[in-house]
This record gives sequence, structure tokens and C-alpha cells, in this order.
Amino acid sequence: ELKVEQNPLFLSMQEGKNYTIYCNYSTTSDRLYWYRQDPGKSLESLFVLLSNGAVKQEGRLMASLDTKARLSTLHITAAVHDLSATYFCAVDEDKIIFGKGTRLHILP
Amino acid sequence: GAVVSQHPSRVICKSGTSVKIECRSLDFQATTMFWYRQFPKQSLMLMATSNEGSKATYEQGVEKDKFLINHASLTLSTLTVTSAHPEDSSFYICSARKGGAYEKLFFGSGTQLSVL
Repeated sequence: ELKVEQNPLFLSMQEGKNYTIYCNYSTTSDRLYWYRQDPGKSLESLFVLLSNGAVKQEGRLMASLDTKARLSTLHITAAVHDLSATYFCAVDEDKIIFGKGTRLHILP
Repeated sequence: GAVVSQHPSRVICKSGTSVKIECRSLDFQATTMFWYRQFPKQSLMLMATSNEGSKATYEQGVEKDKFLINHASLTLSTLTVTSAHPEDSSFYICSARKGGAYEKLFFGSGTQLSVL
């Protein structure tokens, strides 16, 4: 059974700081996604990672995938309040299984 | 980019009634659609995978007779919550895949179901 573990589940941080969210999974999948969800809203696609060593960056967010370690990271650089949201990783093995999410709260 | 339309966005119904939620891919043909439910401050739980023209594949613990899924065309999938009860109150989200396994997944805007 595919398991996706995300940590931390909750993160409160100051603006301007850097931090990393980790996503471990239990299979050999090379397809992993990161999403953002604001309260009461659906999911916004952030990154699609489709191979070992994939690294993608958009603004203050950077995602990477290490399929050998079965690990993906989402790194936040110099956080700003607007990045406050819940972030999910999801692993694709024909069906998409989500991690529990990381509730990120960035203090002004 | 591709758009997935889901409606209604919010529905309130009485216990015992049935509710139908529609999920449409507006500008692409979706070979596969997924239905998720999400309780407050929790993750998305996959309910079922729907392929056009065939029966949906339900996840363990999801009652197929209660959550009826129909994927009659390449652009439309519906989820019907039959005889809804308060414990079915949740946020339901559909998603659609444009093509094969490496294609991006697009999400609908979600439906907040409240059963009184």
C-alpha cells in the first residue's frame, strides 16, 4: 500500500526565514506533485516532478525529487505572509495519494 | 491551462436526500477522473477512480452503493451521494487527468456538502 508521509504537519515561521517541508513515500514512483490549498478552496498546482533529480523553482518555492531516497522537498526561501497556506505533496502511481499536508503560518 | 468545472460549489440538504455533484473537463478529454473527500483540516482522501465507459474503482472502505460514480463521457463524471446523512458532510473535490500517466492532474473547485 502506498504511503505518503509529510512533515512537519504544522509550521509557524517568521517572515524572511527559510524552511523545508519533507515528503517521504513508500514506493518507487517517479511522479510527485506539490499543491497549495487556501482555506475553503480547492488545490492549486505548484510543481510536477517527473524524474529522479528533478528540481523546479517558482518564486520563493523550490521543489526537488530524489526517487532513490523516496523523498521530495519543498523549500521556502525568505518567506512572506502570502505564502501562508496548506501545502500537500502527492504521489502518483496511477492513483494519486496525498500526504497529510503542512499547515504553514507565516508571521508578519 | 486546462479547466475542470465542478458544481455545485455548495449544497445544503436534508438527511435522507440524494445529492449529485458534476465534474466537467471544459477544454480537454479526461480519460481518468478521481473523486476525493476532505474533512476540515485534513488531507484529501481518494474515494474512487473513474474511467470513461467503465465502472469506477472504489477505495477500500468507500461504499459504492452510497457514492455512485458515473463517467458517461470523456468530459463528464458525476458523484451522487445517496441517502445523505450528517456524517457525509464534507468537501468533495474532483480531478481529471488529460491523458496518460505522466499528464498533469487538474482539480475542480470543490463542493462543500452540508447535510442537516
